[in-house]
Amino acid sequence: DAGITQSPRHKVTETGTPVTLRCHQTENHRYMYWYRQDPGHGLRLIHYSYGVKDTDKGEVSDGYSVSRSKTEDFLLTLESATSSQTSVYFCAISFTGTSGLLGQFFGPGTRLTVL
Amino acid sequence: GQQVMQIPQYQHVQEGEDFTTYCNSSTTLSNIQWYKQRPGGHPVFLIQLVKSGEVKKQKRLTFQFGEAKKNSSLHITATQTTDVGTYFCAGPTGTASKLTFGTGTRLQVTL
Repeated sequence: DAGITQSPRHKVTETGTPVTLRCHQTENHRYMYWYRQDPGHGLRLIHYSYGVKDTDKGEVSDGYSVSRSKTEDFLLTLESATSSQTSVYFCAISFTGTSGLLGQFFGPGTRLTVL
Repeated sequence: GQQVMQIPQYQHVQEGEDFTTYCNSSTTLSNIQWYKQRPGGHPVFLIQLVKSGEVKKQKRLTFQFGEAKKNSSLHITATQTTDVGTYFCAGPTGTASKLTFGTGTRLQVTL
């Protein structure tokens, strides 16, 4: 699984509190992504990074910020969590294999509940 | 923006029956990718198709990319309980190797 870990794996928090999710990779991949997955919506891109300190917004970025100070770590922060941010969050990296094969490897996910 | 739709949303089959999910993009794609997500798990990359009309097989799974490169299908022959999960197609969008994922098809297989 391309050495991708996410922490925490589960978190319950209260509305209005800040939350930071961490994605860690060990294989020096350039591109990293944060998705959220909700029933009926599939996987939606929140933010992505194309290098250290290089990040950009995805389709559902409101209420989220990210940081990438090192190649291996991509942090997702909910500055003030809301119940609508209850979701499963996946981190992913983009890989390029032999013959130009492209795809994404996903981390195990973080289940976040905002009460 | 780009939209990727899949049908059906859900299908329940008896073990041994065939299954097909269809993926349609609002724009022409340079490639199409397929992922499988087991219940409680994370999406796992299955395959990438690049050429117009391309067909690839992985054991009982057959993937096809349409001639116009706007649609794709995944066919499973003789389903097994291990095929249970949600199947997503995904197409590249914009830069930075971003993907737009389809809405997914959830497959349930019973004995």
